[in-house]
Amino acid sequence: GNSVTQMEGPVTLSEEAFLTINCTYTATGYPSLFWYVQYPGEGLQLLLKATKADDKGSNKGFEATYRKETTSFHLEKGSVQVSDSAVYFCALLRSYTGNQFYFGTGTSLTVIP
Amino acid sequence: NAGVTQTPKFRVLKTGQSMTLLCAQDMNHEYMYWYRQDPGMGLRLIHYSVGEGTTAKGEVPDGYNVSRLKKQNFLLGLESAAPSQTSVYFCASSYSPGTGGKNEQYFGPGTRLTVT
Repeated sequence: GNSVTQMEGPVTLSEEAFLTINCTYTATGYPSLFWYVQYPGEGLQLLLKATKADDKGSNKGFEATYRKETTSFHLEKGSVQVSDSAVYFCALLRSYTGNQFYFGTGTSLTVIP
Repeated sequence: NAGVTQTPKFRVLKTGQSMTLLCAQDMNHEYMYWYRQDPGMGLRLIHYSVGEGTTAKGEVPDGYNVSRLKKQNFLLGLESAAPSQTSVYFCASSYSPGTGGKNEQYFGPGTRLTVT
């Protein structure tokens, strides 16, 4: 089946620290991979995506590379800010029916000044 | 362009009561979805729709019904609410697969429902 496993939180970092949130997936075929971010009290917003192996998605200083050999899509940022405090969700998409997403459980990040 | 909107934002129900959550999108998306978000469980798909007049079950459909009478609206109904349905409900919409690679889902702000 299709599933996403992401690093358990919560994660607390100091401002300007390096961030990695691990995400691995199980899927048949060639899914698209996504990172969504949820700020307190809001819905999910797309952060970045990659649609094929070796693609790198990037946005707002965050990056993730689609690694088919390790079935991973780890999220990284070189220098986090307080405003990056949020919950981050890794997700995969199989488009063959219903455009259905499979979400990880989310990783809460708190950045302290 | 409001994107995806949800009504209401908050609601408290007593066990056995019914209610309908409304989702509206103004992006002309074909596909719409209802999720519930519970602590430690991420988002779970309740029902979805691939076009006006169509609906399909997701991962956790029991206790919920949906309707898509208009392309822009997707309603989620609880006929007899139970405490296990206390959750945050999110609506989302997307283009149909293959629409120029635009396959991401756009989410509404959520409805926080408490069933006592």
